[in-house]
Amino acid sequence: DTGVSQDPRHKITKRGQNVTFRCDPISEHNRLYWYRQTLGQGPEFLTYFQNEAQLEKSRLLSDRFSAERPKGSFSTLEIQRTEQGDSAMYLCASSRYRGSNEQYFGPGTRLTVT
Amino acid sequence: AQKITQTQPGMFVQEKEAVTLDCTYDTSDQSYGLFWYKQPSSGEMIFLIYQGSYDEQNATEGRYSLNFQKARKSANLVISASQLGDSAMYFCAMREGLSMNRDDKIIFGKGTRLHILP
Repeated sequence: DTGVSQDPRHKITKRGQNVTFRCDPISEHNRLYWYRQTLGQGPEFLTYFQNEAQLEKSRLLSDRFSAERPKGSFSTLEIQRTEQGDSAMYLCASSRYRGSNEQYFGPGTRLTVT
Repeated sequence: AQKITQTQPGMFVQEKEAVTLDCTYDTSDQSYGLFWYKQPSSGEMIFLIYQGSYDEQNATEGRYSLNFQKARKSANLVISASQLGDSAMYFCAMREGLSMNRDDKIIFGKGTRLHILP
């Protein structure tokens, strides 16, 4: 049973560029979550999917951010026109909809905007 | 208002001693779940333990136990016989609602950095 994987693990980009991150959840998990973690803070919820449906988006997710899960499997998180304030660790997690209380997290993608 | 409060930014504990990490929470829901996660320096979040608001007994998982005091809205993590590998950030978290249509996001505290001394 492979865990949640994220790609890339690190991304350095210049301000104004677009970036896209990928998350592959545990295969039988139908819920997928994105969180953002800045230095010295706990993760903050961004959005989550049940299968391909995006069920909730945080107000942290400005219109420069978009997330998709087109076939209910992997998900992508795109940030357009990156700003220095977007520098953070972006964490993906997955869980079963029923019967499971824990969310399993991936290793994260660390984004640095210069 | 902060929903999860962890008042200890950092703690130093001697190896093999027990350690208690404090967590208080704020919710008006009757149904909710409480979690503890460990985050080593490598960055991944590792699930440790879960307590449901209706669970009558405190949750235990190996060396981890959750001291759940509902009236005080407290959910402290106790690690027995600490080991050097326990050095990490520890996050307390809450999910509100336990129904099938629950809001599934987890709200995290700011964490406590635990240092185990040899």
